[in-house]
Amino acid sequence: SQTIHQWPATLVQPVGSPLSLECTVEGTSNPNLYWYRQAAGRGLQLLFYSIGIDQISSEVPQNLSASRPQDRQFILSSKKLLLSDSGFYLCAWSIGSTDTQYFGPGTRLTVL
Amino acid sequence: QKEVEQNSGPLSVPEGAIASLNCTYSDRVSQSFFWYRQYSGKSPELIMSIYSNGDKEDGRFTAQLNKASQYVSLLIRDSQPSDSATYLCAVKGNLGSSNTGKLIFGQGTTLQVKP
Repeated sequence: SQTIHQWPATLVQPVGSPLSLECTVEGTSNPNLYWYRQAAGRGLQLLFYSIGIDQISSEVPQNLSASRPQDRQFILSSKKLLLSDSGFYLCAWSIGSTDTQYFGPGTRLTVL
Repeated sequence: QKEVEQNSGPLSVPEGAIASLNCTYSDRVSQSFFWYRQYSGKSPELIMSIYSNGDKEDGRFTAQLNKASQYVSLLIRDSQPSDSATYLCAVKGNLGSSNTGKLIFGQGTTLQVKP
């Protein structure tokens, strides 16, 4: 069966510091991968999605970037965090032409 | 007009009652619809998917789809306090649109089931 991992689970970072969040999927090959952000009391905002290694689309202009160095690894990064980057970051995966997305446990980021 | 709209609630129902959660969408040619449940502080988990008009049942959950009216609903029978959560409706973006391959989420409806 497929599983998805995210780490760290929680993170507190000062404004201006760098960020690296990691997501890995097990039990499947060539998944579509997604990064979402959920700000407090708000809906899910799609940040990036990837259909393959080094194939990444950005949805929202911002100070975040994403990379996919391996088939089942998806990384969200920032060089300098902003207060507005605080939120719940969710990684999700889907397979091929199927529509269903499955979410990882998430990383709660607080920028102070 | 938002692409996927849900009443934010909270929707409060007594234990044992039927909870009815509604969602409307703007893209008339959407074909795939999903309901997710999200407990406070946790990630969304898939409850059901539905692709055809009509009802789809899974245990205490029934999803209903009406493409002509562009709405999808989720019924929870015999509601339990453990069903208290936020329910997210998601619609797959139409091929050829800027939303191709993406899930468009509503803001979610908070359900409170009172013992």
